[in-house]
Amino acid sequence: ETGVTQSPTHLIKTRGQQVTLRCSSQSGHNTVSWYQQALGQGPQFIFQYYREEENGRGNFPPRFSGLQFPNYSSELNVNALELDDSALYLCASSSGRASMQETQYFGPGTRLLVL
Amino acid sequence: AQSVTQLGSHVSVSEGALVLLRCNYSSSVPPYLFWYVQYPNQGLQLLLKYTSAATLVKGINGFEAEFKKSETSFHLTKPSAHMSDAAEYFCAVTPSNDYKLSFGAGTTVTVRA
Repeated sequence: ETGVTQSPTHLIKTRGQQVTLRCSSQSGHNTVSWYQQALGQGPQFIFQYYREEENGRGNFPPRFSGLQFPNYSSELNVNALELDDSALYLCASSSGRASMQETQYFGPGTRLLVL
Repeated sequence: AQSVTQLGSHVSVSEGALVLLRCNYSSSVPPYLFWYVQYPNQGLQLLLKYTSAATLVKGINGFEAEFKKSETSFHLTKPSAHMSDAAEYFCAVTPSNDYKLSFGAGTTVTVRA
């Protein structure tokens, strides 16, 4: 059984650019959640995808968008990057929708630096 | 709305001493509560979770936490610290009818030899 993987591990972009981060969910999981963890803070929920549809969103602007594919892998896209977008982006997968009875398994994250 | 407060951003303990990390939460409905650990340059690993069963929850690596509704607390303890326990620990909450985790700011644990 493979765990949650994310790519790339590190990324440097400049203000105004666009970025795409990728996540492969754990085998058998159909739900993916994305979190942003700024330096020295706890993760903040961005959004969740269940069976290719957005299932809920946190307090993030529309320039943060996502996709989930038929194999349940997922992408996080951020347009018009701002300096404050510099953070560790974590992906978590689980099985089942809207149920925290199911454990979320986190990937190692992608560290994004915006200059 | 739900939120989590972790008391103490840094905790230093001696090897073999008790580890106590404090977490208080607010939630408008019965909560599910979690403790995660994050080692340097890694993602989050679940230590334990409370989902309205037993109030004393045992997790991995010798950690346990007790849910106290009257105190709105979910403190994490380990009787005897190991050097390998040095990491950052996050408490998180979600309402039982929701799925969005709200995390505390984290507590960094250092273990002295």
